[in-house]
Amino acid sequence: ETGVTQTPRHLVMGMTNKKSLKCEQHLGHNAMYWYKQSAKKPLELMFVYNFKEQTENNSVPSRFSPECPNSSHLFLHLHTLQPEDSALYLCASSQEGPDEQFFGPGTRLTVL
Amino acid sequence: KQEVTQIPAALSVPEGENLVLNCSFTDSAIYNLQWFRQDPGKGLTSLLLIQSSQREQTSGRLNASLDKSSGRSTLYIAASQPGDSATYLCAAHMDSSYKLIFGSGTRLLVRP
Repeated sequence: ETGVTQTPRHLVMGMTNKKSLKCEQHLGHNAMYWYKQSAKKPLELMFVYNFKEQTENNSVPSRFSPECPNSSHLFLHLHTLQPEDSALYLCASSQEGPDEQFFGPGTRLTVL
Repeated sequence: KQEVTQIPAALSVPEGENLVLNCSFTDSAIYNLQWFRQDPGKGLTSLLLIQSSQREQTSGRLNASLDKSSGRSTLYIAASQPGDSATYLCAAHMDSSYKLIFGSGTRLLVRP
């Protein structure tokens, strides 16, 4: 595997389900990011982790819970989501804060 | 409020045409600016990164410029091809933090 990978690529869940999104970067970077991309809206930064420590939480509802066990892996745990949470969730990584960011292919989430 | 704006929202050109995509930002103290390409339903592919100390960057048929004083960046695509059809996003680090501020994108269609 190279670059940034995300699984699953597609996810359909009910409002009462619990699921997790996984991201892995193979670039040796120190920072990892979760973004949300909704139709007709700019990408929204959700969380930032640097050296496994959360450095930014962009006022994200608590039904989204990130986890970063090491610099290469990032998870987004989902529970009791709403239909308006349906979106493309993108993971990215960079060497340090303001460096070039590299994105994964995304997970298309549909909440019924 | 720090913002990144892209105009036009959509552009259709015949194959072979040279074209320019525009990006404007509100803070002249920009740290760097990154151009991405996004195919439908896919992740973002990094095209070019311009540091605040640079005026332009080139990669193949792509040339990106940065004018901090006017708050503008342009992406020039030479000899456009149908395979260039995608949404092009610009994003700026306004300081040395992790937060990348995205524009809404320009959706490009290159007609055969």
